Order: sequence, then structure tokens, then C-alpha cells
Amino acid sequence: GQNIDQPTEMTATEGAIVQINCTYQTSGFNGLFWYQQHAGEAPTFLSYNVLDGLEEKGRFSSFLSRSKGYSYLLLKELQMKDSASYLCAVPASGGSYIPTFGRGTSLIVHP
Amino acid sequence: EAGVAQSPRYKIIEKRQSVAFWCNPISGHATLYWYQQILGQGPKLLIQFQNNGVVDDSQLPKDRFSAERLKGVDSTLKIQPAKLEDSAVYLCASSPAEAFGAGTRLSVL
Repeated sequence: GQNIDQPTEMTATEGAIVQINCTYQTSGFNGLFWYQQHAGEAPTFLSYNVLDGLEEKGRFSSFLSRSKGYSYLLLKELQMKDSASYLCAVPASGGSYIPTFGRGTSLIVHP
Repeated sequence: EAGVAQSPRYKIIEKRQSVAFWCNPISGHATLYWYQQILGQGPKLLIQFQNNGVVDDSQLPKDRFSAERLKGVDSTLKIQPAKLEDSAVYLCASSPAEAFGAGTRLSVL
């Protein structure tokens, strides 16, 4: 099975940088997803990492270390609209690509 | 490209009543998922379809929940009878590109 751990809540200031960590345990690894979910809305796909290293996509970057079972999502130049829940997810083992989600990290960006 | 369509957006029922949700995935997406998201938690997979066949329904409470995708396109999820703890958002997603619908928010009173 999968075990995903991420902080419950984080706060940051507009314009700052924030790093949201995720540790996972899985019997088989098929990559790691990050999703953003605003309150009352569906999750939206942010990134999918399958190889070690940092992948940058605009203000958002995602890092993966498979040997450490660790990932982080880095958000730069924070904006108020970045206040949302950030979900780390790993597919189930056995060749599946179905995301199994963590509880999510609620990020609050204040002026 | 049209996204994943779900209806209704909101549903309020009393416990022991029945309810059904509908999902139309992105055109051409063979894989369809139903998730349950309880407030404050991440989505939990209920069932996965590949075309009209069930791939994984290990977390579906089969005594009260059922789902079908008869023609391999749209799908329905049913709860019969509903319990208070079924209050959640029910999300439908399709892949590739794991796109989620807006969800159906169910309140069981």
C-alpha cells in the first residue's frame, strides 16, 4: 500500500517563496503527482515527476528523490490566488497509475 | 477540449435515501475514476473503469455503493441507502492527463 505524509497547514507572505514537502512509502513507484485544489473546486494537475531532480514550470517547481521517498513543491513569487490545498499523490503499486492522495497541505498566503 | 462533466453539482438527501451521480469523461478517455473526498482530506479512490470494465473497486463499499459504465463512456455512481458519513464531494476523473470534474457535493441529513 501507500503512505503519504505532508504538513497539514502552512502560511506565507505574498511575494515570498514556500516549499511544501511530501514523504511517501510505496511498494512500487510509478511517479509522483502534485495537484492544486481551491476550496470547493476539483483538483487541478500541477506536475508529475518520475525521475529524480527538479522540474521547473513557471512559478512552480517540483523536486523528487526516489531514494529518500521525498518530494517537494516550490512556489515562488507567491500570490494571494495561490491560497489553496496542495495534494501530493503517488500511483498505486502493481503497474497502476491511479493517484493515491495524501491529506493535502492547506497553504494560506497573506498580504 | 471539453472537460469532465458531472451532475448534479449539489445534492441534499436524508439518510436511507438513494442518490445517483453522473459523469461524462473527456472524449476518448478510456480510463474513468470515481473518488470520494471528505472535508479536510484528500480524495479517496472508490472505483476505476477501463472502458466498460472494472479494474479496481477494492475501496468501494459494495453493500451500498454501485457504479457502472455500460457503454464505456459515461458512468453513474449510486448510493443506496445513504448514511450520514457519505457526506462528501464525489469526484470523477478520466485519463490520460488525469482531469477531474467539478464534483458533486453530497450532504446527507
